[in-house]
Amino acid sequence: EAGVAQSPRYKIIEKRQSVAFWCNPISGHATLYWYQQILGQGPKLLIQFQNNGVVDDSQLPKDRFSAERLKGVDSTLKIQPAKLEDSAVYLCASSYMVQETQYFGPGTRLLVL
Amino acid sequence: QKEVEQNSGPLSVPEGAIASLNCTYSDRGSQSFFWYRQYSGKSPELIMFIYSNGDKEDGRFTAQLNKASQYVSLLIRDSQPSDSATYLCAVSPGGGNQFYFGTGTSLTVIP
Repeated sequence: EAGVAQSPRYKIIEKRQSVAFWCNPISGHATLYWYQQILGQGPKLLIQFQNNGVVDDSQLPKDRFSAERLKGVDSTLKIQPAKLEDSAVYLCASSYMVQETQYFGPGTRLLVL
Repeated sequence: QKEVEQNSGPLSVPEGAIASLNCTYSDRGSQSFFWYRQYSGKSPELIMFIYSNGDKEDGRFTAQLNKASQYVSLLIRDSQPSDSATYLCAVSPGGGNQFYFGTGTSLTVIP
């Protein structure tokens, strides 16, 4: 079974630029999560989708971050404009159902200069 | 506010010893508890989950849950250098709500 795929793996941008990350969850997993993990901290949930609907985006900085999951499969997370404090690893995870085990992708390392 | 607390460590144990990792949580209604291992530069991978009070064993790993004390722990028996990683505790309040991760405990197993 293929795991969660993410791209790109690394991204370096300057502040005020925009960036987009892509995630393809495990086949059949209805729930998809985007996390932000800053160095030395645990993952922080940004947004949770159930199929193509948003379940929780309470910690998503909506003035600069946006996410979508069209057709309930792939998802993209966008930051526009980026700030220095957005430097982090962005992890995508999926699970068959809510509350079940989440499986993580390899993550995208973002550095904002 | 829902919180998950872990000692950040670092925790060092000699090879072959038992490593004990602890986690407390604030939401008494939490229903699902997970332990993830994260190697440096890698993404978290699931070690174990536990839903009911008591112990759950899987190979060298034992998860212990005490809902009355709002405490979950992970024991690693016969620790190996390959167990050196950061261990993340995750708690789900239930009702379809999000997971909350602790900051992780860094474990070093000394050969």
